[in-house]
Amino acid sequence: GENVEQHPSTLSVQEGDSAVIKCTYSDSASNYFPWYKQELGKRPQLIIDIRSNVGEKKDQRIAVTLNKTAKHFSLHITETQPEDSAVYFCAAPDPNSNSGYALNFGKGTSLLVTP
Amino acid sequence: DAGVTQSPTHLIKTRGQQVTLRCSPKSGHDTVSWYQQALGQGPQFIFQYYEEEERQRGNFPDRFSGHQFPNYSSELNVNALLLGDSALYLCASSLGTDKGYTFGSGTRLTVV
Repeated sequence: GENVEQHPSTLSVQEGDSAVIKCTYSDSASNYFPWYKQELGKRPQLIIDIRSNVGEKKDQRIAVTLNKTAKHFSLHITETQPEDSAVYFCAAPDPNSNSGYALNFGKGTSLLVTP
Repeated sequence: DAGVTQSPTHLIKTRGQQVTLRCSPKSGHDTVSWYQQALGQGPQFIFQYYEEEERQRGNFPDRFSGHQFPNYSSELNVNALLLGDSALYLCASSLGTDKGYTFGSGTRLTVV
């Protein structure tokens, strides 16, 4: 999506290390930021999301942090495992929408966790 | 509880032809969004349907049209197919203004 930039495009880490993926957005009014995981040949699956009224959310080894001032949010995966290998997408509401119902996606980060 | 189902899973069409893709949302969901995902790219928003009307549209030409039925299922139609329309077409359902999407497995469209 035009308003969402995602970095890096590829990331390789060793099993047990942490991985961090960062996304920036353009619309300061955006209030919802999900992360999706897409394994090869499969559908994107929501793994975690955060709303603008909180700065951090955790779910076991996965966490998302939000910096509204800087307009960026990040996905943190700790103690990575080979099954974490996939493409990860961030998303933010489309600023061109009156309602913001549609989501724009980043271009994705291909994460490879090596044993 | 059925998730989002899409049909067909794969489709091969000739340039200039027309195609219809179908989507049944997750049980309890009333909103359907369609996305185009080119190889190695993120999903690109096509349009969203709610209460049988197109609520929002992305930057896609009028060759792309859709419909939502009273049972919340939806169709995506593409006319005058171009080679560049080859992609994975994803349907995502959600409930009302809740932005949490559930994606289907997609339809892989190949235009030759």
